[in-house]
Amino acid sequence: GAVVSQHPSRVICKSGTSVKIECRSLDFQATTMFWYRQFPKQSLMLMATSNEGSKATYEQGVEKDKFLINHASLTLSTLTVTSAHPEDSSFYICSARSGGHQLGPLHFGNGTRLTVT
Amino acid sequence: AQSVTQLGSHVSVSEGALVLLRCNYSSSVPPYLFWYVQYPNQGLQLLLKYTTGATLVKGINGFEAEFKKSETSFHLTKPSAHMSDAAEYFCAVSEIGAAGNKLTFGGGTRVLVKP
Repeated sequence: GAVVSQHPSRVICKSGTSVKIECRSLDFQATTMFWYRQFPKQSLMLMATSNEGSKATYEQGVEKDKFLINHASLTLSTLTVTSAHPEDSSFYICSARSGGHQLGPLHFGNGTRLTVT
Repeated sequence: AQSVTQLGSHVSVSEGALVLLRCNYSSSVPPYLFWYVQYPNQGLQLLLKYTTGATLVKGINGFEAEFKKSETSFHLTKPSAHMSDAAEYFCAVSEIGAAGNKLTFGGGTRVLVKP
């Protein structure tokens, strides 16, 4: 079945540094990928929709200059948290749509736990 | 705009007992509805989904859900809980035709299974 690989699974960084998270579709091409953020004991909140070859679409309230998204190929999207601060500590999850159309199934990565010290 | 409400952030059931997780949604157009399960420090796994057709949907691990349009509900059930069912469950809605078909998640329900 379709697999989404997310890397790293855990990362600890110092305040003020930047962290890059990768999301790869391993055996399918994904025109659209989604990035979510999940705070402890809370639900997933959509941050942005990543479209291959174009700019990401950010949800209201998400700072696009802080959360940089690049979707340079049909199998890779990256989320870079720039100048990270402790309040950015969270669980970040990506998902990718297979099937090549808007109604294709979504497949989720295993998430990245970011801790900013 | 679409939204999802899951009644009860925590549910505790005994092993072998019925599992019932409640989900109500609001949507301005016919929705697609989903149930996902999340184990600690992992992503989400699809349990089942409703798109069109039969309103009773069967999923993996013995779960099923029924779409009731009149009640705007999509409750998840499993006749007999197993210890491995302990996890967090999310109901989600996607509006047909919405750009990118974004998912909106409910707040989640954490299931504890007692031996």
